[in-house]
Amino acid sequence: KAGVTQTPRYLIKTRGQQVTLSCSPISGHRSVSWYQQTPGQGLQFLFEYFSETQRNKGNFPGRFSGRQFSNSRSEMNVSTLELGDSALYLCASSSSLGQGSEQYFGPGTRLTVT
Amino acid sequence: AQSVTQLGSHVSVSEGALVLLRCNYSSSVPPYLFWYVQYPNQGLQLLLKYTSAATLVKGINGFEAEFKKSETSFHLTKPSAHMSDAAEYFCAVTNAGGTSYGKLTFGQGTILTVHP
Repeated sequence: KAGVTQTPRYLIKTRGQQVTLSCSPISGHRSVSWYQQTPGQGLQFLFEYFSETQRNKGNFPGRFSGRQFSNSRSEMNVSTLELGDSALYLCASSSSLGQGSEQYFGPGTRLTVT
Repeated sequence: AQSVTQLGSHVSVSEGALVLLRCNYSSSVPPYLFWYVQYPNQGLQLLLKYTSAATLVKGINGFEAEFKKSETSFHLTKPSAHMSDAAEYFCAVTNAGGTSYGKLTFGQGTILTVHP
């Protein structure tokens, strides 16, 4: 099976712009989660989707949003980019919504905001 | 609320030596615990998970971890380090029950260096 794929892998944006990141989960997986990784804050949970519904949301401002499509692919959007949004954004997929479910991560999208 | 503390942001061992990476958790309900590894410029790879079936969990690449409820610990070990084990390791927790679903709460990570 192909793993989790994320596009693009690298992105450079300017402050004030918006960006959309894409994640394709492992075939058959219906749950997709997003995490932000920075040197200062570490790995932080953004949100989780299951069957096109947001099931859980982390403590991020409303500029961060996401959605999931009927084929389980997911996108996250960040509007009005700030320098502090520079990070590695990781997507993870899981076969179910349960807490013990194994989550498989993609390679991430490295976002640089200048 | 749940949390994870990884003791030691950097651990250095010689090739062939024991690897011990420490993780302590805080959770008001029974936890599910995970160890992930991250190689440079890559995502996270699951090493092993604890879901209450057995306290000693064996994972990939020769790693194992033991869940100790009395010590609220889930330390990761490997008997003999290999150069290819050099990476950053993350301990993570989710809670059984509630509405946190699959949300992983991660520790700050431990960078493992292996010397020849």
